[in-house]
Amino acid sequence: DIQMTQSPSTLSASVGDRVTITCRASQSINSWLAWYQQKPGKAPKLLIYKASSLESGVPSRFSGSESGTGFTLTISSLQPDDFATYYCHQYNSYPHTFGGGTRVEIK
Amino acid sequence: EVQMVESGGGLVQPGGSLRLSCAASGFTFSRYDMVWVRQAAGKGLEWVSAIAPAGDAYYSGSVKGRFTISREDGKNSFYLQMNSLRAEDTAVYYCVRKIWGHGFDVWGQGTMVTVSS
Repeated sequence: DIQMTQSPSTLSASVGDRVTITCRASQSINSWLAWYQQKPGKAPKLLIYKASSLESGVPSRFSGSESGTGFTLTISSLQPDDFATYYCHQYNSYPHTFGGGTRVEIK
Repeated sequence: EVQMVESGGGLVQPGGSLRLSCAASGFTFSRYDMVWVRQAAGKGLEWVSAIAPAGDAYYSGSVKGRFTISREDGKNSFYLQMNSLRAEDTAVYYCVRKIWGHGFDVWGQGTMVTVSS
């Protein structure tokens, strides 16, 4: 199975900060990487697919990038609505796997 | 409106069985892979199982041999039959639509499964 290592597990930031979350795959996943945002008691929401494509309706302050088996989610200017937990997800092959999650909290 | 609605969750004793259902609407159900993802309280997301349009089924190692996924395209529904349930299967179970190349774009609201005596 492909392992997804996500860091950090918790991140404290202020409104307006630039925030970066990373995820590393244990082997090549051919850019088949998605990022999700989840708020307490709610289902996850797709933000980014194929490593860097922005899902329709998602604000442009969210972006994704990749370098080899490393992937990054960046929020260019953190907004109050962005305090949530974020997950990476590889869908290159079954079984699919998720990263452990990054909780973005108010500093 | 594209929508997925789970049902069938509840309290079951260890070793027992439960069948989850997911009703989809607003899209051509038969064209998509359908997926179950679960989340234990305070924990991360865990992929459980998927079924392709042709009926090919895939399972995580933690549920293989105990859970069975199926679909009924005529009813725009798919299911998760869960047998030999364990305490560690306790979680919210989400049904999800997968678009090839796009990831998991539509999620249900989740249904709670509690395995306890």
